[in-house]
Amino acid sequence: GENVEQHPSTLSVQEGDSAVIKCTYSDSASNYFPWYKQELGKGPQLIIDIRSNVGEKKDQRIAVTLNKTAKHFSLHITETQPEDSAVYFCAARPTGFQKLVFGTGTRLLVSP
Amino acid sequence: ETGVTQSPTHLIKTRGQQVTLRCSSQSGHNTVSWYQQALGQGPQFIFQYYREEENGRGNFPPRFSGLQFPNYSSELNVNALELDDSALYLCASSLEQGALTGELFFGEGSRLTVL
Repeated sequence: GENVEQHPSTLSVQEGDSAVIKCTYSDSASNYFPWYKQELGKGPQLIIDIRSNVGEKKDQRIAVTLNKTAKHFSLHITETQPEDSAVYFCAARPTGFQKLVFGTGTRLLVSP
Repeated sequence: ETGVTQSPTHLIKTRGQQVTLRCSSQSGHNTVSWYQQALGQGPQFIFQYYREEENGRGNFPPRFSGLQFPNYSSELNVNALELDDSALYLCASSLEQGALTGELFFGEGSRLTVL
């Protein structure tokens, strides 16, 4: 079955810096890759997603890249702000399956 | 706000008891999924309901069961509670249309503590 690995587990940056979180997946049949932000005491919030027919997607300060050959995808946050501090999860959805398989999460801390 | 609402937000049970968690999906969504999130981990897929039937199940025992109602709301039932069932239970709704993958929107979760 699908397995998703996520790195790093924690990431500390200064306000205004960029942050990059990387994930790898094992099932080449996976075709949908969302990213979620989870703040303390809240449910995961979808922040951006990418499908396997696209290599890159951008939404303001957030971008996601996908390399299907290497089976990895990354989240890029530019001009980080303290309110970006949260736990970020990547996920993959294999074709023909209903579930999302999540990574283990990255705790991002943005210091003013 | 995703429009997905869950109740109760917190509850405490003892081993061996049974619990029912409830979820109202986002307007227009026809599919509900349930996930278990243990402390410090990513969500784990329990099962999904589509058109009132279970449409996929993760690696959870039969004492985890669910229902979906005609208005697309859903319940998660857990029997014979164990200490390891302590977790945040997340409901997510989506619009599934054939092979098109729907975006998954999560509620705030129900935090279950088993003593």
